[in-house]
Amino acid sequence: AQSVTQLDSHVSVSEGTPVLLRCNYSSSYSPSLFWYVQHPNKGLQLLLKYTSAATLVKGINGFEAEFKKSETSFHLTKPSAHMSDAAEYFCVVSHNQAGTALIFGKGTTLSVSS
Amino acid sequence: EAGVAQSPRYKIIEKRQSVAFWCNPISGHATLYWYQQILGQGPKLLIQFQNNGVVDDSQLPKDRFSAERLKGVDSTLKIQPAKLEDSAVYLCASSAGTSGGRYEQYFGPGTRLTVT
Repeated sequence: AQSVTQLDSHVSVSEGTPVLLRCNYSSSYSPSLFWYVQHPNKGLQLLLKYTSAATLVKGINGFEAEFKKSETSFHLTKPSAHMSDAAEYFCVVSHNQAGTALIFGKGTTLSVSS
Repeated sequence: EAGVAQSPRYKIIEKRQSVAFWCNPISGHATLYWYQQILGQGPKLLIQFQNNGVVDDSQLPKDRFSAERLKGVDSTLKIQPAKLEDSAVYLCASSAGTSGGRYEQYFGPGTRLTVT
């Protein structure tokens, strides 16, 4: 069985400070891991994905995540937050077998203050 | 390229009524997904199609929910009769293949259903 746990339901940062959104996963297989972002009244957008290649994954808008198998973690980071980063972020697990669904975490709301 | 289209964007119905949602995937995408996102939670897969065949419907409440993709392109999701707990955003997504990790899923804007 697969699951993800997003450790913080809400994270607040100031503009220009680092962002850290934490995610732990559980998977019986070699997982694929993703981070999606959801802005209000907009569709889900893929930020980045890990599929068993490099453990440090770079995504769009300056975000990156590191796959740590020993810690079963896939935390999302950004060196400097921007006001436009305020949104809901979802950590997602899947694996590469055909027909396997994406399993979403409950989400972390990121607030950015000026 | 055009994204995943969904309609309507919003729907309010009374419990025990029926409702239908429509999705048009990205052109050429063989795989189509319907997700349910309840407020405060992440999306949960309801059903996955590969062309016009069902790949996974294990989490679809079949006593009240049905979905079809007759020509392997557009899809409709129906709820009959609706319950209060069906209030949620219904997301449609499409991808070029079925592998959960290999092919990116592209999401539509969703239909927000309120059942009163």
